[in-house]
Amino acid sequence: EAQLVESGGGLVQPGGSLRLSCAASGFTFSNYAMSWVRQAPGRGLEWVSGISGSGSSTYYADSVQGRSTISRDSSKNTLSLHMNSLRAEDEAVYYCAKDINSGYPRYFDLWGRGTLVTVSS
Amino acid sequence: DIQMTQSPSSLSASVGDRVTITCQASQDISNYLNWYQHKPGKAPKLLIYDASNLERGVPSRFSGSGSGTDFTFTISSLQPEDVATYYCQQYDNLPYTFGQGTKLGIK
Repeated sequence: EAQLVESGGGLVQPGGSLRLSCAASGFTFSNYAMSWVRQAPGRGLEWVSGISGSGSSTYYADSVQGRSTISRDSSKNTLSLHMNSLRAEDEAVYYCAKDINSGYPRYFDLWGRGTLVTVSS
Repeated sequence: DIQMTQSPSSLSASVGDRVTITCQASQDISNYLNWYQHKPGKAPKLLIYDASNLERGVPSRFSGSGSGTDFTFTISSLQPEDVATYYCQQYDNLPYTFGQGTKLGIK
């Protein structure tokens, strides 16, 4: 069964950094683009970043552009999101999502259960 | 960015009722519109893709329609397990954007 499991969330101080990971299983990881989507407390879903199946192309929302790096390791079937200069508005549950496409991100047919990032001093 | 306006924000209906949620895009997105179901503490689930196509394994009581800027999501006969928040999402242009969600409950 295909599955995504996020990890790496936790409490971080404003201005700090964090690395989120997503372990993929049950499908050929390198064949699919992947994305991170977040949900701030009491708010809706927000697409944050995407990466092509090959890892050669990356995409970011303006809200995290310049502060975040998405990457993937197909040898370990792992997706990562490194975030720095964290702000209160980055506090959210971060979901890893598998795309239906291998290249340019399109939409998501498999999601993880999320990992919570709390930004507070 | 393309704005997605979803309504209503919350809804309560009886088991067996027909439920309809609407989503309006701020510009023409053709049929690049999906619907997801999200239950608390669980992974979001794709229900409808390309505005009207039912994802594999999703019950046929779920359906979608529309194109351009106006879209509709329907549950033909509400079941207790359908209690969740539902989101529309456009993928015509990055950044992909979601509606604000419709929280669906049972009366």
